[in-house]
Amino acid sequence: SQKIEQNSEALNIQEGKTATLTCNYTNYSPAYLQWYRQDPGRGPVFLLLIRENEKEKRKERLKVTFDTTLKQSLFHITASQPADSATYLCALASGYSTLTFGKGTMLLVSP
Amino acid sequence: EPEVTQTPSHQVTQMGQEVILRCVPISNHLYFYWYRQILGQKVEFLVSFYNNEISEKSEIFDDQFSVERPDGSNFTLKIRSTKLEDSAMYFCASSEGGAVGTGELFFGEGSRLTVL
Repeated sequence: SQKIEQNSEALNIQEGKTATLTCNYTNYSPAYLQWYRQDPGRGPVFLLLIRENEKEKRKERLKVTFDTTLKQSLFHITASQPADSATYLCALASGYSTLTFGKGTMLLVSP
Repeated sequence: EPEVTQTPSHQVTQMGQEVILRCVPISNHLYFYWYRQILGQKVEFLVSFYNNEISEKSEIFDDQFSVERPDGSNFTLKIRSTKLEDSAMYFCASSEGGAVGTGELFFGEGSRLTVL
């Protein structure tokens, strides 16, 4: 069956450090992969999309890599800030109009 | 900036009652979705809607659920006879294209449903 796996344990880092979150998937052949941010009690917010033919994508302090051989994406936040504390969700297309989400990894950035 | 709006923000209902959750998607978007998130769990796909019909649905979206676009702006999710396990946050989302297109989903802030 199709699976999207993200670290279930919260990631605690200090302000200014780089946070790296992992998304692994099985039984998918995605044309692209997306990352979203979710704050408690709120809807997910789109951050970045990376296509299968792209190795890396950047947006301000965010960087995403996509390795279709390893079936893995890494999501990096450089120079992290307490305001970056949230849950980060990985998502893959699992149908023509369907996105399936991983459970997400909670990031806690302490001052 | 355009946004997806949902009402109500919170609804409490008795088991067996019908509930309608309402959404106004972004006006130029063509695809509409409902997702749900049980407390502490992942965001789960329920249904996608395009061109006035269901495009895809999950196993969760059984005969108790229905969706409708009653006019040019609203998109509704109806649960006919609520069960305790329907308690969750329900998110509406919209997108310009389907998942294999631009794929980016714009989510509303959610409607929290509590079934007693």
